[in-house]
Amino acid sequence: AQTVTQSQPEMSVQEAETVTLSCTYDTSESDYYLFWYKQPPSRQMILVIRQEAYKQQNATENRFSVNFQKAAKSFSLKISDSQLGDAAMYFCAYSWGEYGNKLVFGAGTILRVKS
Amino acid sequence: NAGVTQTPKFRVLKTGQSMTLLCAQDMNHEYMYWYRQDPGMGLRLIHYSVGEGTTAKGEVPDGYNVSRLKKQNFLLGLESAAPSQTSVYFCASSYWASPNTEAFFGQGTRLTVV
Repeated sequence: AQTVTQSQPEMSVQEAETVTLSCTYDTSESDYYLFWYKQPPSRQMILVIRQEAYKQQNATENRFSVNFQKAAKSFSLKISDSQLGDAAMYFCAYSWGEYGNKLVFGAGTILRVKS
Repeated sequence: NAGVTQTPKFRVLKTGQSMTLLCAQDMNHEYMYWYRQDPGMGLRLIHYSVGEGTTAKGEVPDGYNVSRLKKQNFLLGLESAAPSQTSVYFCASSYWASPNTEAFFGQGTRLTVV
């Protein structure tokens, strides 16, 4: 079965600094996709970034980038120049298969940003 | 453009009561999903639908039923609520079958069963 593990229940970062959130996953599939979702206090799930497993290049979206290590089954999220608005719960998620976008989520990491 | 709308936003039920959560999307998406979010466990898939008139079980389907009579609506039913079903429920939808397609989420329903 596919599993996603986020080993950091909570992280803190000073405003304007960089923080990395960890995620590992377990799968026997060769073709799959990985995502980071942000959930602010409003509960709205917001897609931050996605990575296709067959692409070796790490995805980037403005201040957000990933370090995708396929052999190690690791998918970490780096947030540069952290802002107060980045404070939220972050979920790592995995998707595979041909029938829709069924997501398997990690337990989440709460990110606190200090001013 | 409303996106994915869940009704209600909050609800308190007594053990044994029944209720239906409604999810409506206005994006003409084929695929719809129900997840539950519990502390320390992330979101887990309850049921999903790959098109009007279809439903399938996800990871944690026990105690829930679903229906997709209209393409834009996906209903989640609890026939006899239990305290273990206290959770935040999220509906999501996506257009394509490809697993890299972005899923759009509703704002969740906080359900408490006492």
